[in-house]
Amino acid sequence: KAGVTQTPRYLIKTRGQQVTLSCSPISGHRSVSWYQQTPGQGLQFLFEYFSETQRNKGNFPGRFSGRQFSNSRSEMNVSTLELGDSALYLCASSFRQEAYEQYFGPGTRLTVT
Amino acid sequence: AQRVTQPEKLLSVFKGAPVELKCNYSYSGSPELFWYVQYSRQRLQLLLRHISRESIKGFTADLNKGETSFHLKKPFAQEEDSAMYYCALIDSGNTPLVFGKGTRLSVIA
Repeated sequence: KAGVTQTPRYLIKTRGQQVTLSCSPISGHRSVSWYQQTPGQGLQFLFEYFSETQRNKGNFPGRFSGRQFSNSRSEMNVSTLELGDSALYLCASSFRQEAYEQYFGPGTRLTVT
Repeated sequence: AQRVTQPEKLLSVFKGAPVELKCNYSYSGSPELFWYVQYSRQRLQLLLRHISRESIKGFTADLNKGETSFHLKKPFAQEEDSAMYYCALIDSGNTPLVFGKGTRLSVIA
């Protein structure tokens, strides 16, 4: 089985711009979660989708949004980028609605200058 | 709110020495606990979960509900164990996985 894929792998943006990141889950997985990983804060939960519905949302400002498509692929969008948004953004998929075992993608490294 | 605490940012041990990575959690219910590992240049991956009570790569972890701990242990560290380790928690139902901030294990030859 192919693993979770994320595109792009690296991205450099300037403050004020917006960005869209994409995640393709493992075939058959219907749950997708997004995390922000930074050296200081570790892994912080952004949101979780199951069958195109957002089930949970983390404590991030409204500039962070996401969606899931009918084929389970997911995108997250960050508008009005700030320097502090520089991070590795990880996507994870799981088969069941309860995210007991998650399979992670390689991440998208976002640098905001 | 659930919280997972990993008190050590960095743990250095010599090859062959025992390893214990600490994890404490705060949650009043009956959570499920996990250890995830991220080796250099690899993806974050599940190492073990408490309900399976198995040993993976020589690592074990016991859930101590009285002390609300889920420490990861290995009797003899190997150089290939060097990685970032994250403790994580989920309760039953509709909540996301909550991670600790991680501990970097460095095994010195």
